[in-house]
Amino acid sequence: AQKVTQAQTEISVVEKEDVTLDCVYETRDTTYYLFWYKQPPSGELVFLIRRNSFDEQNEISGRYSWNFQKSTSSFNFTITASQVVDSAVYFCALTPYRGYQKVTFGTGTKLQVIP
Amino acid sequence: SAVISQKPSRDICQRGTSLTIQCQVDSQVTMMFWYRQQPGQSLTLIATANQGSEATYESGFVIDKFPISRPNLTFSTLTVSNMSPEDSSIYLCSARTGGKGHTEAFFGQGTRLTVV
Repeated sequence: AQKVTQAQTEISVVEKEDVTLDCVYETRDTTYYLFWYKQPPSGELVFLIRRNSFDEQNEISGRYSWNFQKSTSSFNFTITASQVVDSAVYFCALTPYRGYQKVTFGTGTKLQVIP
Repeated sequence: SAVISQKPSRDICQRGTSLTIQCQVDSQVTMMFWYRQQPGQSLTLIATANQGSEATYESGFVIDKFPISRPNLTFSTLTVSNMSPEDSSIYLCSARTGGKGHTEAFFGQGTRLTVV
């Protein structure tokens, strides 16, 4: 069974502050993918990143960075110098590496960036 | 990569009617899935759309309520039958593609359904 926990239901930050969204997961699979998706108020699901479980290098993309720690089963997402356009619901998700199985989503973290 | 188009993007429907949502992928994909996202909630898998056979439904979802078709490797439909206000949700189509041991997961833009 797979489970993704996003303990932060809602976060509010002032523009230009840094913010970290937490994600903790459980899986019996030895290899798996982790994802982060952004869902703006318009409702579409925007892919942000995919991480393979055997690649523990942290990744940076512009103002976004991801910290993957297999030892603690965490895949945290940091937005640096937040902007109002970052306001959205962010989902962390997990799927087995092999096969074509469903993606298990966390409950999401609603981020509000206040100007 | 795969680009997924869903139609309609949104609709307002009367209770008791049915709505069919279409999902078109721009390339052949191995698996297609349908998810539901109720207001303020996370995404829940409804079913896996199998090409050439009946869909596989998750616990709590039944074929009579959510009939699914998948006539080929690029297209699927989800019907929400006999709708009630509780069916108001975003419905998302997803596809997985890739070679052995390597799969990607892509999502359509969703269909925002309101039942009145």
